[in-house]
Amino acid sequence: DGGITQSPKYLFRKEGQNVTLSCEQNLNHDAMYWYRQDPGQGLRLIYYSQIVNDFQKGDIAEGYSVSREKKESFPLTVTSAQKNPTAFYLCASSLYRGRTGELFFGEGSRLTVL
Amino acid sequence: DAKTTQPTSMDCAEGRAANLPCNHSTISGNEYVYWYRQIHSQGPQYIIHGLKNNETNEMASLIITEDRKSSTLILPHATLRDTAVYYCIVKGRDDKIIFGKGTRLHILP
Repeated sequence: DGGITQSPKYLFRKEGQNVTLSCEQNLNHDAMYWYRQDPGQGLRLIYYSQIVNDFQKGDIAEGYSVSREKKESFPLTVTSAQKNPTAFYLCASSLYRGRTGELFFGEGSRLTVL
Repeated sequence: DAKTTQPTSMDCAEGRAANLPCNHSTISGNEYVYWYRQIHSQGPQYIIHGLKNNETNEMASLIITEDRKSSTLILPHATLRDTAVYYCIVKGRDDKIIFGKGTRLHILP
């Protein structure tokens, strides 16, 4: 079935460690996104990518890095520079670049820093 | 910042129509209005979108005012499963999609 797969669903890390969250889509979508959600809050945009080998910072990119080497993959690395990394992370994709297009979301990855 | 303003929370009786308002007074001519909803601890789900005409699908109806500065999402017969956070988003050709805090809709039995 087509869709977006995020892994892992739950992740624990110690302070000072980098961690990479995976996001894969088989929808042949052009654009991909990473959002962060804190308890009781809305979604905040971290990074987005409209095309392979290109990506742009969102509103809260500090302490995060991404890559877009393949159309179907958009991994997010939470670095040790991110001061409050504990959150729910959501990946999404969209079919039409620069046009209308609904977002399809994965099921999310919940990161807890111990 | 989000380009939309929504009430923080709303209640609706089960079986009644739920009308969720959204203000987007700075919307430009080529920007669409999208609605999503998020059930607890899941990824948001697309509901509907429109440009200037009213739209209807199997989930909901979208009413956009003539000046396009506000819209209303209508769930015609709300059920307990419609309890969720509803997000109204304005999106143009730029793929930078910003979510606000949404409206938390409580369906009361």
